[in-house]
Amino acid sequence: DSGVTQTPKHLITATGQRVTLRCSPRSGDLSVYWYQQSLDQGLQFLIQYYNGEERAKGNILERFSAQQFPDLHSELNLSSLELGDSALYFCASSVSGGTSGGHRTDTQYFGPGTRLTVL
Amino acid sequence: AQKITQTQPGMFVQEKEAVTLDCTYDTSDQSYGLFWYKQPSSGEMIFLIYQGSYDEQNATEGRYSLNFQKARKSANLVISASQLGDSAMYFCASIYNFNKFYFGSGTKLNVKP
Repeated sequence: DSGVTQTPKHLITATGQRVTLRCSPRSGDLSVYWYQQSLDQGLQFLIQYYNGEERAKGNILERFSAQQFPDLHSELNLSSLELGDSALYFCASSVSGGTSGGHRTDTQYFGPGTRLTVL
Repeated sequence: AQKITQTQPGMFVQEKEAVTLDCTYDTSDQSYGLFWYKQPSSGEMIFLIYQGSYDEQNATEGRYSLNFQKARKSANLVISASQLGDSAMYFCASIYNFNKFYFGSGTKLNVKP
Protein backbone atom coordinates (compact mmCIF):
# COMPACT_ATOMS: atom_id res chain seq x y z
CA ASP A 1 0.00 0.00 0.00
CA SER A 2 1.58 3.25 -1.20
CA GLY A 3 -0.52 5.48 1.03
CA VAL A 4 -2.09 7.25 -1.95
CA THR A 5 -5.83 6.72 -2.24
CA GLN A 6 -7.98 7.09 -5.32
CA THR A 7 -11.73 6.88 -5.69
CA PRO A 8 -13.62 5.42 -7.32
CA LYS A 9 -11.77 2.27 -8.30
CA HIS A 10 -13.99 1.65 -11.31
CA LEU A 11 -16.23 3.99 -13.25
CA ILE A 12 -18.50 3.15 -16.15
CA THR A 13 -20.24 5.98 -17.95
CA ALA A 14 -21.58 7.02 -21.32
CA THR A 15 -20.19 9.27 -24.02
CA GLY A 16 -20.82 12.93 -23.45
CA GLN A 17 -20.92 12.60 -19.68
CA ARG A 18 -18.72 14.23 -17.05
CA VAL A 19 -16.93 12.46 -14.22
CA THR A 20 -14.70 13.44 -11.31
CA LEU A 21 -11.81 11.35 -10.06
CA ARG A 22 -10.47 11.96 -6.59
CA CYS A 23 -7.02 11.50 -5.12
CA SER A 24 -5.60 11.85 -1.61
CA PRO A 25 -1.81 12.01 -1.46
CA ARG A 26 0.41 10.35 1.13
CA SER A 27 0.63 12.17 4.40
CA GLY A 28 3.29 14.85 4.08
CA ASP A 29 3.40 14.87 0.30
CA LEU A 30 2.80 18.28 -1.24
CA SER A 31 2.70 17.36 -4.90
CA VAL A 32 0.12 15.45 -6.90
CA TYR A 33 0.49 14.17 -10.44
CA TRP A 34 -2.17 12.77 -12.78
CA TYR A 35 -1.45 10.21 -15.49
CA GLN A 36 -3.49 8.41 -18.12
CA GLN A 37 -2.66 4.89 -19.23
CA SER A 38 -4.62 3.50 -22.15
CA LEU A 39 -4.71 -0.23 -22.91
CA ASP A 40 -1.22 -1.57 -23.52
CA GLN A 41 0.18 1.94 -23.50
CA GLY A 42 2.72 3.71 -21.42
CA LEU A 43 2.00 6.47 -18.98
CA GLN A 44 0.87 9.81 -20.33
CA PHE A 45 1.53 12.67 -17.95
CA LEU A 46 -1.46 14.97 -17.66
CA ILE A 47 -0.83 17.58 -14.97
CA GLN A 48 1.02 18.27 -11.73
CA TYR A 49 0.12 20.35 -8.69
CA TYR A 50 2.37 21.44 -5.88
CA ASN A 51 0.89 22.78 -2.67
CA GLY A 52 -2.26 23.94 -4.41
CA GLU A 53 -0.63 25.52 -7.45
CA GLU A 54 -0.36 24.07 -10.93
CA ARG A 55 3.31 23.17 -11.48
CA ALA A 56 3.44 21.44 -14.86
CA LYS A 57 1.13 20.52 -17.68
CA GLY A 58 1.47 17.58 -20.04
CA ASN A 59 -0.81 16.18 -22.71
CA ILE A 60 -4.02 17.18 -21.00
CA LEU A 61 -7.03 17.78 -23.20
CA GLU A 62 -9.04 20.97 -22.85
CA ARG A 63 -12.03 18.80 -21.84
CA PHE A 64 -10.04 17.76 -18.78
CA SER A 65 -9.28 19.91 -15.76
CA ALA A 66 -7.86 19.40 -12.33
CA GLN A 67 -7.30 21.18 -9.06
CA GLN A 68 -5.59 20.65 -5.74
CA PHE A 69 -7.44 21.76 -2.65
CA PRO A 70 -6.06 23.31 0.58
CA ASP A 71 -6.09 19.91 2.27
CA LEU A 72 -3.90 18.75 -0.66
CA HIS A 73 -6.35 16.26 -2.11
CA SER A 74 -6.85 16.60 -5.83
CA GLU A 75 -9.64 16.06 -8.31
CA LEU A 76 -9.45 15.38 -12.04
CA ASN A 77 -12.55 16.38 -13.99
CA LEU A 78 -13.21 14.76 -17.34
CA SER A 79 -16.04 16.18 -19.43
CA SER A 80 -17.71 15.49 -22.80
CA LEU A 81 -16.33 11.99 -22.52
CA GLU A 82 -15.43 10.06 -25.65
CA LEU A 83 -14.82 6.36 -26.19
CA GLY A 84 -11.10 7.07 -26.44
CA ASP A 85 -11.02 8.42 -22.91
CA SER A 86 -11.43 4.89 -21.57
CA ALA A 87 -8.23 4.26 -19.64
CA LEU A 88 -6.63 3.74 -16.27
CA TYR A 89 -6.10 7.06 -14.53
CA PHE A 90 -3.39 7.25 -11.93
CA CYS A 91 -2.68 9.78 -9.29
CA ALA A 92 0.79 9.91 -7.78
CA SER A 93 2.25 12.00 -5.00
CA SER A 94 5.70 13.06 -3.89
CA VAL A 95 7.19 15.13 -1.12
CA SER A 96 9.12 17.68 -3.11
CA GLY A 97 7.36 17.57 -6.46
CA GLY A 98 10.51 17.76 -8.49
CA THR A 99 12.04 20.66 -6.59
CA SER A 100 14.93 18.75 -5.06
CA GLY A 101 17.01 18.12 -8.17
CA GLY A 102 16.41 14.41 -8.34
CA HIS A 103 16.64 13.67 -4.64
CA ARG A 104 14.82 10.69 -3.19
CA THR A 105 12.05 13.05 -2.06
CA ASP A 106 11.09 13.39 -5.71
CA THR A 107 10.01 9.75 -5.76
CA GLN A 108 6.45 9.43 -6.98
CA TYR A 109 4.17 6.99 -5.18
CA PHE A 110 1.16 5.87 -7.13
CA GLY A 111 -2.40 5.26 -6.10
CA PRO A 112 -4.25 2.12 -7.19
CA GLY A 113 -5.80 3.92 -10.16
CA THR A 114 -9.32 4.53 -11.41
CA ARG A 115 -10.38 2.43 -14.35
CA LEU A 116 -12.70 4.49 -16.52
CA THR A 117 -14.86 2.83 -19.14
CA VAL A 118 -16.79 5.03 -21.53
CA LEU A 119 -19.57 3.22 -23.41
CA ALA B 1 14.57 13.29 -28.36
CA GLN B 2 13.71 10.26 -26.29
CA LYS B 3 14.48 11.03 -22.68
CA ILE B 4 14.19 7.49 -21.31
CA THR B 5 14.77 4.49 -23.55
CA GLN B 6 13.86 0.92 -22.76
CA THR B 7 14.86 -1.17 -25.74
CA GLN B 8 13.37 -4.49 -24.63
CA PRO B 9 9.60 -4.54 -25.18
CA GLY B 10 9.41 -8.07 -23.80
CA MET B 11 11.67 -10.54 -22.06
CA PHE B 12 11.54 -14.08 -20.76
CA VAL B 13 13.51 -15.44 -17.82
CA GLN B 14 13.56 -18.84 -16.16
CA GLU B 15 12.42 -18.95 -12.56
CA LYS B 16 15.33 -18.57 -10.07
CA GLU B 17 17.60 -16.99 -12.67
CA ALA B 18 18.74 -13.37 -12.69
CA VAL B 19 17.53 -10.92 -15.33
CA THR B 20 18.64 -7.46 -16.40
CA LEU B 21 16.21 -4.89 -17.77
CA ASP B 22 17.87 -2.12 -19.75
CA CYS B 23 17.30 1.60 -19.41
CA THR B 24 19.20 4.56 -20.83
CA TYR B 25 18.56 8.21 -20.21
CA ASP B 26 19.48 11.46 -21.88
CA THR B 27 20.43 14.48 -19.84
CA SER B 28 23.29 16.87 -19.32
CA ASP B 29 22.06 17.79 -15.85
CA GLN B 30 24.44 17.05 -13.00
CA SER B 31 21.71 16.34 -10.49
CA TYR B 32 19.00 13.84 -11.32
CA GLY B 33 17.21 10.81 -9.99
CA LEU B 34 16.49 7.43 -11.53
CA PHE B 35 13.58 5.19 -10.59
CA TRP B 36 12.12 1.82 -11.44
CA TYR B 37 8.47 0.84 -11.13
CA LYS B 38 6.67 -2.48 -11.45
CA GLN B 39 3.19 -2.82 -12.87
CA PRO B 40 1.67 -6.29 -12.43
CA SER B 41 -1.36 -7.38 -14.41
CA SER B 42 -3.58 -6.11 -11.61
CA GLY B 43 -2.61 -2.60 -12.69
CA GLU B 44 -1.06 -0.85 -9.74
CA MET B 45 2.28 0.96 -10.11
CA ILE B 46 4.74 -0.11 -7.46
CA PHE B 47 7.90 1.85 -6.72
CA LEU B 48 10.90 -0.49 -6.59
CA ILE B 49 14.17 1.38 -6.35
CA TYR B 50 15.82 4.81 -6.52
CA GLN B 51 19.30 5.92 -7.58
CA GLY B 52 20.59 9.46 -7.22
CA SER B 53 23.09 10.81 -9.73
CA TYR B 54 25.56 11.58 -6.95
CA ASP B 55 25.28 8.17 -5.32
CA GLU B 56 28.58 6.37 -5.72
CA GLN B 57 27.21 2.95 -4.92
CA ASN B 58 24.58 1.07 -6.86
CA ALA B 59 21.22 1.04 -5.12
CA THR B 60 19.87 -2.25 -3.81
CA GLU B 61 16.47 -3.18 -2.42
CA GLY B 62 16.17 -6.85 -1.60
CA ARG B 63 16.35 -8.81 -4.85
CA TYR B 64 16.43 -5.61 -6.88
CA SER B 65 19.58 -3.72 -7.71
CA LEU B 66 20.26 -0.88 -10.06
CA ASN B 67 23.36 -1.10 -12.22
CA PHE B 68 24.19 2.58 -12.57
CA GLN B 69 26.77 3.48 -15.22
CA LYS B 70 26.91 7.24 -15.30
CA ALA B 71 29.27 7.63 -18.24
CA ARG B 72 27.07 5.40 -20.37
CA LYS B 73 23.91 7.05 -19.02
CA SER B 74 22.42 3.71 -18.20
CA ALA B 75 20.40 2.56 -15.19
CA ASN B 76 19.66 -1.11 -15.66
CA LEU B 77 17.48 -3.01 -13.21
CA VAL B 78 18.77 -6.38 -12.08
CA ILE B 79 16.36 -8.84 -10.52
CA SER B 80 18.08 -11.75 -8.85
CA ALA B 81 16.50 -15.17 -8.30
CA SER B 82 13.40 -14.41 -10.38
CA GLN B 83 10.05 -15.51 -9.03
CA LEU B 84 6.77 -16.12 -10.82
CA GLY B 85 5.39 -13.03 -9.09
CA ASP B 86 8.00 -10.92 -10.86
CA SER B 87 6.07 -11.29 -14.11
CA ALA B 88 4.96 -7.75 -14.81
CA MET B 89 5.61 -4.61 -16.79
CA TYR B 90 8.63 -2.64 -15.59
CA PHE B 91 9.05 1.08 -16.17
CA CYS B 92 12.24 3.09 -15.85
CA ALA B 93 11.84 6.77 -14.99
CA SER B 94 13.97 9.77 -14.33
CA ILE B 95 13.70 13.34 -13.19
CA TYR B 96 15.86 16.04 -14.74
CA ASN B 97 15.57 18.93 -17.21
CA PHE B 98 14.20 21.49 -14.79
CA ASN B 99 12.56 18.82 -12.70
CA LYS B 100 10.53 17.08 -15.35
CA PHE B 101 9.64 13.45 -14.76
CA TYR B 102 10.08 11.08 -17.70
CA PHE B 103 8.90 7.47 -18.04
CA GLY B 104 10.17 4.87 -20.47
CA SER B 105 7.86 2.76 -22.60
CA GLY B 106 8.28 -0.27 -20.37
CA THR B 107 9.54 -3.84 -20.57
CA LYS B 108 7.19 -6.77 -20.13
CA LEU B 109 8.89 -9.51 -18.15
CA ASN B 110 7.62 -13.08 -18.17
CA VAL B 111 9.05 -15.51 -15.66
CA LYS B 112 8.79 -19.12 -16.78
CA PRO B 113 8.43 -21.97 -14.26
